[in-house]
Amino acid sequence: SQQGEEDPQALSIQEGENATMNCSYKTSINNLQWYRQNSGRGLVHLILIRSNEREKHSGRLRVTLDTSKKSSSLLITASRAADTASYFCATANFGNEKLTFGTGTRLTIIP
Amino acid sequence: KAGVTQTPRYLIKTRGQQVTLSCSPISGHRSVSWYQQTPGQGLQFLFEYFSETQRNKGNFPGRFSGRQFSNSRSEMNVSTLELGDSALYLCASSLASPGSGANVLTFGAGSRLTVL
Repeated sequence: SQQGEEDPQALSIQEGENATMNCSYKTSINNLQWYRQNSGRGLVHLILIRSNEREKHSGRLRVTLDTSKKSSSLLITASRAADTASYFCATANFGNEKLTFGTGTRLTIIP
Repeated sequence: KAGVTQTPRYLIKTRGQQVTLSCSPISGHRSVSWYQQTPGQGLQFLFEYFSETQRNKGNFPGRFSGRQFSNSRSEMNVSTLELGDSALYLCASSLASPGSGANVLTFGAGSRLTVL
């Protein structure tokens, strides 16, 4: 079963614009991670944010975490055509290393 | 450094057959996880192994089984294949030890199984 639900399910923006994706989850977590998947291939880890962190940056990526609302957002700034992919959040609970993935957001960057 | 290698990349089977998928993790990674990805169900967790022990198991029928060898390589087997088993099967390895709270996964490219 899915722990996380991403919103929106699909997003199309012009190259150079910012893209924001949201993730909501159901239970208390140890950490939350974001992954990218290009069509039909394996997932690539983007960023990890721990439950005691509120914001984290990595290059053009900015992730926020609100544990009181059980939600996270991923912001990609200055989008590029190469950012076209599906983006998944994944959560890990305390004492359990298993990562549970959300439903994903399909991002399309229009050149 | 070689990534996670999955074989075969593509395979076609018929209902009732069985299939074995292989995964070689990144050198030094002792944790291996398996996921099934379908358009309808998304990414579903199958198993997690660490040092040849199954640490977690997802909600799949007993037709799905796996194992890990002493060199950390892992296999999963699906017996009595059904049409609904058609999916992309993803293997991922992790350097993190159990309980570390930082289980970052490195995925292979997947094995795409089609059941006819």
